[in-house]
Amino acid sequence: DTGVSQDPRHKITKRGQNVTFRCDPISEHNRLYWYRQTLGQGPEFLTYFQNEAQLEKSRLLSDRFSAERPKGSFSTLEIQRTEQGDSAMYLCASSHPVRAGRNTQYFGPGTRLTVL
Amino acid sequence: GQQLNQSPQSMFIQEGEDVSMNCTSSSIFNTWLWYKQDPGEGPVLLIALYKAGELTSNGRLTAQFGITRKDSFLNISASIPSDVGIYFCAGATNAGNNRKLIWGLGTSLAVNP
Repeated sequence: DTGVSQDPRHKITKRGQNVTFRCDPISEHNRLYWYRQTLGQGPEFLTYFQNEAQLEKSRLLSDRFSAERPKGSFSTLEIQRTEQGDSAMYLCASSHPVRAGRNTQYFGPGTRLTVL
Repeated sequence: GQQLNQSPQSMFIQEGEDVSMNCTSSSIFNTWLWYKQDPGEGPVLLIALYKAGELTSNGRLTAQFGITRKDSFLNISASIPSDVGIYFCAGATNAGNNRKLIWGLGTSLAVNP
């Protein structure tokens, strides 16, 4: 299997702009997760999909954040009206409940967002 | 949010030395995972543990799932310069729809050649 891929790897934007990130999970992984990570911290859970259904959203996910996984394959994470506090690494992970082991999540390389 | 207690926070060792780090939790987990993260990259899975008492090796790395299901450790033997990075533990339960991982704050490892 190819690994989880994310695009873009880096994004610099001005405050107030909208940004969208894409994640392509490992083929046939039905679960997809989004995390946010800031310097010196572990990843913080944002949301998770099983196939196309968004099953859980963190309270960290304000109404400026939206995630979709329309066909149960790739996913997008959009941030509207970005703020400087949104600057972070956005990580995507995927898992398959049987093949990859229960709860075993494989991560992509991340998208580094810098809001000026 | 909930976090695991991971220690030590950082280590600076000589090449060839063995390293040990651990994570503890007040909650019971069904899965313990150990990841390594290099700067600017996503975490890379090192070892996954699914059963209390399980001891698993991956090359020079060995990890154990504690009997109480509330702790895990990772050992690295004969460290080399490429072991440098941040090591994270993560735990998960199977409760309901909860599939998110709970993370430690990481152990930063520096290896002096």
